[in-house]
Amino acid sequence: NAGVTQTPKFQVLKTGQSMTLQCAQDMNHEYMSWYRQDPGMGLRLIHYSVGAGITDQGEVPNGYNVSRSTTEDFPLRLLSAAPSQTSVYFCASSYRSGAEPRGEKLFFGSGTQLSVL
Amino acid sequence: DQQVKQNSPSLSVQEGRISILNCDYTNSMFDYFLWYKKYPAEGPTFLISISSIKDKNEDGRFTVFLNKSAKHLSLHIVPSQPGDSAVYFCAASRRGRAGKSTFGDGTTLTVKP
Repeated sequence: NAGVTQTPKFQVLKTGQSMTLQCAQDMNHEYMSWYRQDPGMGLRLIHYSVGAGITDQGEVPNGYNVSRSTTEDFPLRLLSAAPSQTSVYFCASSYRSGAEPRGEKLFFGSGTQLSVL
Repeated sequence: DQQVKQNSPSLSVQEGRISILNCDYTNSMFDYFLWYKKYPAEGPTFLISISSIKDKNEDGRFTVFLNKSAKHLSLHIVPSQPGDSAVYFCAASRRGRAGKSTFGDGTTLTVKP
């Protein structure tokens, strides 16, 4: 059971470079999300998807792009990296439980530590 | 405007005693409230949740209490164990929108042997 897999685990970029953070889940979950966590802060939503072909912006979407061509994959693209994007990035997936009392919990990957110099 | 707040950045308790972590929210439209636990260099993992129609949910050593009138929830851990030392995040979501969960800033719990 792989769950949610994120690659790479660590990445160092120079300002202005672009890159893609990969996220894949093998649980056939409908929903996938990208969050970032800055020191001393909670997780802030960047983008999310409710299914293949459907994405929407979260709280802090600027500087990031996403697409969802398959149920399994939800890559996050940094268009032109900036030092303010130095953070830990978490991908998460979830399903629509539709019933009490399970709620709608998120399954997280182990994160990508990104540093932009 | 932070919709979910955890006002205590850290908490230290003795092994065997009760740990109480608190969380406040402002949006009365939230349907679910969840607690996640996070160890260093790992992703958060789900711990326990409660629906807005309930006032208590218990799972082993963990109990979550919800006070809707005060827009306040708390996580009780009894008895606390050293392995419980971690960062605990409070989160809230609306039904069908788990992917849009809103998180607090977290409370670092340290359980001393």
